[in-house]
Amino acid sequence: DSGVTQTPKHLITATGQRVTLRCSPRSGDLSVYWYQQSLDQGLQFLIQYYNGEERAKGNILERFSAQQFPDLHSELNLSSLELGDSALYFCASSVAPGDTQYFGPGTRLTVL
Amino acid sequence: TQLLEQSPQFLSIQEGENLTVYCNSSSVFSSLQWYRQEPGEGPVLLVTVVTGGEVKKLKRLTFQFGDARKDSSLHITAAQPGDTGLYLCALYNFNKFYFGSGTKLNVKP
Repeated sequence: DSGVTQTPKHLITATGQRVTLRCSPRSGDLSVYWYQQSLDQGLQFLIQYYNGEERAKGNILERFSAQQFPDLHSELNLSSLELGDSALYFCASSVAPGDTQYFGPGTRLTVL
Repeated sequence: TQLLEQSPQFLSIQEGENLTVYCNSSSVFSSLQWYRQEPGEGPVLLVTVVTGGEVKKLKRLTFQFGDARKDSSLHITAAQPGDTGLYLCALYNFNKFYFGSGTKLNVKP
């Protein structure tokens, strides 16, 4: 158990819909990262937050957005969902940017 | 742009065999991390290598960082079915973590 929690574990939805994925970092960690992993692919970095502020953006689509709240939990919002958005979405946290990151168990999103 | 290239993509071996997987970049990097990911779970950090030429051992796993800090290898001695998983290398650059596409290892009993 990494100490990072993600909900929900599984999500099945339809094209065009909007979903929110939630992440609670390890106690004491100020940085949160979001990643997308498609079938048999490596991890694609989406976005990083540090202490509530956006710090870095990767290949995140405009249909996707995220935020980190004052209690340091983070949410990833995915809208106008397409079939190709089906993937595992991981959250990771670290004490500070670039420090060792600990991954949550992921949310498996299936878009039908 | 793929910063990190991993090879081989797939590896299927018998229990007890040795294996080496590789992570290469055209750029010099200051440090490199190796992770193992089991199906349906998040990656778990195995090791971070920092110094060129560095060798780190974790039980039957040996990690090496190239002298020029552009490549790294992971050697597993006497592989066991519990070693099965996706092995990923990653680096931190420009405020982002970049991951290789991984080596999927299957160790058959």
